[in-house]
Amino acid sequence: GEDVEQSLFLSVREGDSSVINCTYTDSSSTYLYWYKQEPGAGLQLLTYIFSNMDMKQDQRLTVLLNKKDKHLSLRIADTQTGDSAIYFCAEREDSSYKLIFGSGTRLLVRP
Amino acid sequence: EPEVTQTPSHQVTQMGQEVILRCVPISNHLYFYWYRQILGQKVEFLVSFYNNEISEKSEIFDDQFSVERPDGSNFTLKIRSTKLEDSAMYFCASRDSLNYGYTFGSGTRLTVV
Repeated sequence: GEDVEQSLFLSVREGDSSVINCTYTDSSSTYLYWYKQEPGAGLQLLTYIFSNMDMKQDQRLTVLLNKKDKHLSLRIADTQTGDSAIYFCAEREDSSYKLIFGSGTRLLVRP
Repeated sequence: EPEVTQTPSHQVTQMGQEVILRCVPISNHLYFYWYRQILGQKVEFLVSFYNNEISEKSEIFDDQFSVERPDGSNFTLKIRSTKLEDSAMYFCASRDSLNYGYTFGSGTRLTVV
């Protein structure tokens, strides 16, 4: 079945860029998503990308999609302490429209 | 910005008891979902609901689980006889037919003791 994999942990210094990586297996997924989860909170949609795009930029966030390698990344420029959270990659299974989530990457931003 | 609202935020229940988790999706959304996240694990799909019926359900969603949209606003998840392994954060989500983003609620943390 479909699977989404992410590295578990990333630590960066405040002001640096963060890059969170994700690989997925379903090559037919039309949409891929990044969600942010702060401690004790719900899942906040950060951005999504359509599969016919290579890149999408939204303020400090840049999403890169390599469809051939089924690799998705989220770059956060000028990372702030408020960016510390768990970031989930998800693909949409097009047959059912359900989301398949990765395990989440815990981003720790050091002052 | 429109929100998906879930109540309660935290529920503690004894094993074997029934629980109902409540969600108010965004008013013009047509598709509704329940997901769960066991502590430290992935967010897992439970069930999707459209046009007053279940569209798809996962293997987790067995006979102990049911969903209902009793009126035009609420969307509920019922667990008939809770087990210890049902302890998790349960998320409701909704989307409309045009919006490709799924809006999630802030979750209900269910603790079965």
